[in-house]
Amino acid sequence: GDSVTQMEGPVTLSEEAFLTINCTYTATGYPSLFWYVQYPGEGLQLLLKATKADDKGSNKGFEATYRKETTSFHLEKGSVQVSDSAVYFCALSDFGNEKLTFGTGTRLTIIP
Amino acid sequence: EAGVAQSPRYKIIEKRQSVAFWCNPISGHATLYWYQQILGQGPKLLIQFQNNGVVDDSQLPKDRFSAERLKGVDSTLKIQPAKLEDSAVYLCASSLTGDTQYFGPGTRLTVL
Repeated sequence: GDSVTQMEGPVTLSEEAFLTINCTYTATGYPSLFWYVQYPGEGLQLLLKATKADDKGSNKGFEATYRKETTSFHLEKGSVQVSDSAVYFCALSDFGNEKLTFGTGTRLTIIP
Repeated sequence: EAGVAQSPRYKIIEKRQSVAFWCNPISGHATLYWYQQILGQGPKLLIQFQNNGVVDDSQLPKDRFSAERLKGVDSTLKIQPAKLEDSAVYLCASSLTGDTQYFGPGTRLTVL
């Protein structure tokens, strides 16, 4: 079945550091890929998505590129801020199926 | 635009008691989802509704969990009787069919 493997956390970085959170997936079809973010005490929010190979999703300075050849969708940001501290979830939905399959989440803490 | 509403936000019960959660999706969203998020894990889909019909309930423990979506709008998720392992955050999400899922803040359930 479908699955998502995420970089183990927690991750702690200094403000303005470069961020990468790794995500790889297994799917039988042609999935859409997502990054969701969960700020403390809040629900999940869609951060970005990509629906086909080589697409790049971007939002709030975050980017991720859909790499079919490596089955990856790594999240990157060039300069993180304290306000980026949250839990980040990689997810997929397979073509024709709206069900989301999530990774285990990566807790990110940015220190000033 | 109002987001997905859930209540209560927190609930503490003893094992073998029953509990119910309520969700009001974004107006006009035909698809509604309930997810279970156990601490340290990604959300797992319990049930998906399209209007008031069930699309996928393959991961719902039907011996103790039930859900309904009367009139294709609000939904309730019930657990009876609760077990210790049901302690989790229960997330409701909604979407226009085939589009991005929007999540509510969740209900944190603690079973003692």
